[in-house]
Amino acid sequence: NAGVTQTPKFQVLKTGQSMTLQCAQDMNHNSMYWYRQDPGMGLRLIYYSASEGTTDKGEVPNGYNVSRLNKREFSLRLESAAPSQTSVYFCASRTVSTDTQYFGPGTRLTVL
Amino acid sequence: AQSVTQPDIHITVSEGASLELRCNYSYGATPYLFWYVQSPGQGLQLLLKYFSGDTLVQGIKGFEAEFKRSQSSFNLRKPSVHWSDAAEYFCAVGGGTDKLIFGTGTRLQVFP
Repeated sequence: NAGVTQTPKFQVLKTGQSMTLQCAQDMNHNSMYWYRQDPGMGLRLIYYSASEGTTDKGEVPNGYNVSRLNKREFSLRLESAAPSQTSVYFCASRTVSTDTQYFGPGTRLTVL
Repeated sequence: AQSVTQPDIHITVSEGASLELRCNYSYGATPYLFWYVQSPGQGLQLLLKYFSGDTLVQGIKGFEAEFKRSQSSFNLRKPSVHWSDAAEYFCAVGGGTDKLIFGTGTRLQVFP
C-alpha cells in the first residue's frame, strides 16, 4: 500500500495563477483532510471531507476550493494564488476504526 | 475554546539524555490525544495516541506519554534520546469526531 500520496511535491506559481493539488489514499478511508503548515503555526485545517460526496470548511478555507472526486481522491484548488498561500500543504485520511489520521508527504508551494 | 498548547518552541538535549515534551489541551469533551513526529521535509507520523484506559501509553521508537486529566496535560517522554530523534513534534486533540486540533509544535535538536 502506498498510503496517502500527493502531487506535486513542489510548485512555484505567480500571483493570480491557479492550480490543483492532488491527493489519493488507498486505505479505503472515509474521511480526508487538507492542512496547511506555516512556521510557528502548526497545522491548520483548510477543508475536510467526512465521506464521499461531502465537504466542509475548516479553520482557514478562504481562497481554496475542494473536490472529493471519489472515495480515494480529494483535491485542493487555488483559483487565484496569492503570496499568503505560500505554505506546505498536507493531505491526510482517517480511519474511523482507530480514529487516526495518516498524512501524505506534503506539497511545498511558493507563490511569487 | 478548544486548543492545544506546546509551550516549548525549541528544545536542545544531548544524545543519551532523557526528554520530556509538554502538551496542554483545552477540550470540552473526553479528549482523544495524539503525538505526531515530523522529520525534515517529511509528512507527519503517528507516535502514539490515547483514547481511554491506562493513562500511560507506549508508542513507537521508545516514546511514551502520560495523560493527566487534572492537569489537562499529555506530555511525551523518552528515557534516552538518539540523534535520529531530532525532528518536530506535534501534539493534537480530538474527540472521536472528524477534526483534530494541533499544537504549534516543538522542534527537538540533539547534540552528540
